[in-house]
Amino acid sequence: DQQVKQNSPSLSVQEGRISILNCDYTNSMFDYFLWYKKYPAEGPTFLISISSIKDKNEDGRFTVFLNKSAKHLSLHIVPSQPGDSAVYFCAASSSYNAGNNRKLIWGLGTSLAVNP
Amino acid sequence: DSGVTQTPKHLITATGQRVTLRCSPRSGDLSVYWYQQSLDQGLQFLIQYYNGEERAKGNILERFSAQQFPDLHSELNLSSLELGDSALYFCASSPQGYSSYEQYFGPGTRLTVT
Repeated sequence: DQQVKQNSPSLSVQEGRISILNCDYTNSMFDYFLWYKKYPAEGPTFLISISSIKDKNEDGRFTVFLNKSAKHLSLHIVPSQPGDSAVYFCAASSSYNAGNNRKLIWGLGTSLAVNP
Repeated sequence: DSGVTQTPKHLITATGQRVTLRCSPRSGDLSVYWYQQSLDQGLQFLIQYYNGEERAKGNILERFSAQQFPDLHSELNLSSLELGDSALYFCASSPQGYSSYEQYFGPGTRLTVT
């Protein structure tokens, strides 16, 4: 059962335009969400996160929006650059996990191609 | 550079063999996580250690085991290897603090079982 779903395996956008990557989750206990970027042959790199007490978090060109009622979050990249071409993973966690359990549940990723 | 190191970078071995993957977390991080990424699959959480103790278990096979040592480095042991165990294995660490969720990943170990 995939608790975190990224329904678009790939996305292609033009340089300078907006990239919107989507993520849906099913577990209402999730209260912290993260986006990671992964280049081939490298480990994932933390990009941006959002707590469920917020509906938006912004860091430079990257903004994450959270819609709790729809159990949906999205990552906006504006403007998109060729160097943003990578696989983007959405991950979720729950503060209800006991102790120092910070297990992240991951989506399968969306491959973003930014064309010059 | 995330500060998390993993060795070896590549490993080729035969079915039935046993291997050990090593991970050193970022300085000061007490938690270590192990993940498996197979071809066309997302990241599968295997196991988490916090300051030497197992904290969470995911889809880890009984043939696999892990431990975290007093110096906080961790090892993932894979035994009776099968062709399907060929994958990228990532280690991640996270900062101290109850509210820390961000994990910082190493470059991974690519295991090929022939």
